[in-house]
This record gives sequence, C-alpha cells and structure tokens, in this order.
Amino acid sequence: KAGVTQTPRYLIKTRGQQVTLSCSPISGHRSVSWYQQTPGQGLQFLFEYFSETQRNKGNFPGRFSGRQFSNSRSEMNVSTLELGDSALYLCASSLDGGAHNEQFFGPGTRLTVL
Amino acid sequence: AQSVTQPDIHITVSEGASLELRCNYSYGATPYLFWYVQSPGQGLQLLLKYFSGDTLVQGIKGFEAEFKRSQSSFNLRKPSVHWSDAAEYFCAVGALGTGNQFYFGTGTSLTVIP
Repeated sequence: KAGVTQTPRYLIKTRGQQVTLSCSPISGHRSVSWYQQTPGQGLQFLFEYFSETQRNKGNFPGRFSGRQFSNSRSEMNVSTLELGDSALYLCASSLDGGAHNEQFFGPGTRLTVL
Repeated sequence: AQSVTQPDIHITVSEGASLELRCNYSYGATPYLFWYVQSPGQGLQLLLKYFSGDTLVQGIKGFEAEFKRSQSSFNLRKPSVHWSDAAEYFCAVGALGTGNQFYFGTGTSLTVIP
C-alpha cells in the first residue's frame, strides 16, 4: 500500500506570494491533517479535514487555508507569504480521524520564503 | 489546555548504552499518548502508543514506554541504543473529541556516539 505523498518536496517563494501544497493520503484514509514544523517550535497543528469538511483548526491566521477533495486528497494554501512561514509542512492521514487512530505522515514539503 | 513537554532538547549517548527520553503532558482526562521518530528528511514514524490497560507498552525497534498517571509522564526507553537510532523523537497526546487533534512536544534530538 502506497504511503502518504506530498508535492512538491521543496519550494522557494518570496514574501507576498502565495503557495499551494498537495497531499495524497493512503488509500482508504478519509482524514487528513496538516502540521507546520519549525526548529524550536516542534509540530504545530494547522487543521484537519474529513469528508471534504474542515473538522478541526489550530491557532493559525486566516492566510492559512485548506481543502479536501472527494478522493480525500488535500491541498493547503498560504497567501501573502511571510518570512516566518518558512518551515516543513507535514501532512498526515488516518482512517477516520479520532485520537485513537494512528496517523501516517508524509515526507513533508520544505517551504523557504525569501 | 492540552500540552506536551519534552524537557531535553538534545541528548547524546554512546552506542550500546541505555536511553530514556522524557515526556510530560497536560490533559484533563486519560490521554492517548504516542511516540514518533523522525529521521532526517523523513516524515514521522509511529514507535508506540498508549490508550489504556497495561502502562508499559512495547513498540517497534526495541523501544518501550511507561505511562505514569501520577507524574503525567510517558517516558520512552531503550535498553541498548544503536547508531541507527540517531533521530528526532516526538511525544504527542491525542485529544478526545471530534477528529484528529494532536499536540506534539518540541522534540528531542538524539545523537549516538560510536
């Protein structure tokens, strides 16, 4: 069974631009979560999607948004990029969400904002 | 509010020595607890998890962890460390409720000396 895939793996953008990251979950998984990972901050929860609906949201500004498609693939968008948005963005999928479910993580997208 | 603390930012051990990584959590009910490992350039891989029952849980790669409710701790241990164990380790707590909402510690970086 194929794992979680994320594209692109690396991105370089400049301040003020916007960016879209993509995540394909494991087949059959309906829940997709996004995390921002930065040195010293660890993983910060961005949001979780389930059946095309945002079910949970972390404490990030509205510049961070996402969506999920009917095939459970998810995209994350960051508008008006700031230097502080440079991070590794991780996507994780699980069967149906819920704190008891194991999350399977993708390799991440490394975003650099110049 | 839920939170996870990993007091050790970085640990260095010699190959063959024992290892203990500390994790303390703050959560109002019985938590779902996880340990993940992240190798450079990789996503996170689940090592083990605790939901209920026996407070000593066994995981992959020879790791184990013990849940101590009285100390709000979930420390990770390994009797004999291998050079391949060098990585970043994250403790996480899963919040009960709707969907995935996980809180991660800031991680402990492990260096293994030959």
